Amino acid sequence: NAGVTQTPKFRILKIGQSMTLQCAQDMNHNYMYWYRQDPGMGLKLIYYSVGAGITDKGEVPNGYNVSRSTTEDFPLRLELAAPSQTSVYFCASSTSTGESYEQYFGPGTRLTVT
Amino acid sequence: DQQVKQNSPSLSVQEGRISILNCDYTNSMFDYFLWYKKYPAEGPTFLISISSIKDKNEDGRFTVFLNKSAKHLSLHIVPSQPGDSAVYFCAAGNDMRFGAGTRLTVKP
Repeated sequence: NAGVTQTPKFRILKIGQSMTLQCAQDMNHNYMYWYRQDPGMGLKLIYYSVGAGITDKGEVPNGYNVSRSTTEDFPLRLELAAPSQTSVYFCASSTSTGESYEQYFGPGTRLTVT
Repeated sequence: DQQVKQNSPSLSVQEGRISILNCDYTNSMFDYFLWYKKYPAEGPTFLISISSIKDKNEDGRFTVFLNKSAKHLSLHIVPSQPGDSAVYFCAAGNDMRFGAGTRLTVKP
């Protein structure tokens, strides 16, 4: 049981390049999330998904796209990377049942755009 | 619009003493609150939670108190241990709004 996995761990992009951050979970969770954390700040929600085929915007969706074709995978796409997207990106998942909203987080992807 | 606020960026306590981390929120519709702990270069890990129908939840050394009228919650760690040194985030709401975090340092 690997939990939530993210690849790559680190990446440097040039301005205007594109990339996809991968996220996978093996806990059969319906809910999945993408956050970014800037230095000294809390986590800000980019996009989330309540199940395969369903995605919705969070607080800071501009410059990103997501898709959810399977329960396990929730990739985050950056188009036309900008320095403002330099951040640490965390993927998380949670179950949709019960009273607990506990999220399980991946180890993060540190992205630098120069 | 910062709906969840942690106004203390850092806290330092002596080993064995109590650590109290505070969190304020603005949305009275939040029905669930969680605390996460984060070590460097790792993702946050869940610590303890509380629903809005309760005012206290306890798990070992960790207790969370909720004051709905003041829109305030706090995390108490007793006794504090050096291994508790980490950044602590509070989060609230169905879409999990996070505070900016408080860095706790427990000195031996």
